[in-house]
Amino acid sequence: DAEITQSPRHKITETGRQVTLACHQTWNHNNMFWYRQDLGHGLRLIHYSYGVQDTNKGEVSDGYSVSRSNTEDLPLTLESAASSQTSVYFCASSDSRGGYEQYFGPGTRLTVT
Amino acid sequence: GIQVEQSPPDLILQEGANSTLRCNFSDSVNNLQWFHQNPWGQLINLFYIPSGTKQNGRLSATTVATERYSLLYISSSQTTDSGVYFCAVDRTGANSKLTFGKGITLSVRP
Repeated sequence: DAEITQSPRHKITETGRQVTLACHQTWNHNNMFWYRQDLGHGLRLIHYSYGVQDTNKGEVSDGYSVSRSNTEDLPLTLESAASSQTSVYFCASSDSRGGYEQYFGPGTRLTVT
Repeated sequence: GIQVEQSPPDLILQEGANSTLRCNFSDSVNNLQWFHQNPWGQLINLFYIPSGTKQNGRLSATTVATERYSLLYISSSQTTDSGVYFCAVDRTGANSKLTFGKGITLSVRP
């Protein structure tokens, strides 16, 4: 079955370190998204991509970057982790060819100490 | 940007009761989705419903796009319905960048 996976599921890192969170989907969807979830804020969009080599900033993009070298993967990099980036991160994908419904991965819980 | 308001923020039900969850949005939308986040944190797609009515078992949803609201109905609630329900919308309909409401926390007691 097609799916969307994230790794690691849990990560603890130190302030200032570079961290990369992986997202892999086998839906063959052209659109991919990264969100963060914090208490009191719901989910907020960090970055998104409409296809290979395309990346765009979302609502809360400062301190994050993404790259899209193939259809299946959209890794999220925290260049220099900060305590304010402690959060749960969700990756999602959608296919505009078949409607715009988004499907979410299981999430990565990141703690920055 | 578009605003999404969900109500009530918290809801406690006895098992077997029915409930209605509301989502108001500030502008016209081309995409609206309802999600259930279970106690393990997983986001489960319930409905993709930019307009009209859909039903799936004990759950149904109605979106009245012209009046900018959507309703999620849960009938004969079960303890497994507990969790947070999110409404999310997108204005453009093109490669949807979803804007989420803050969610409704539902607790169903046995």
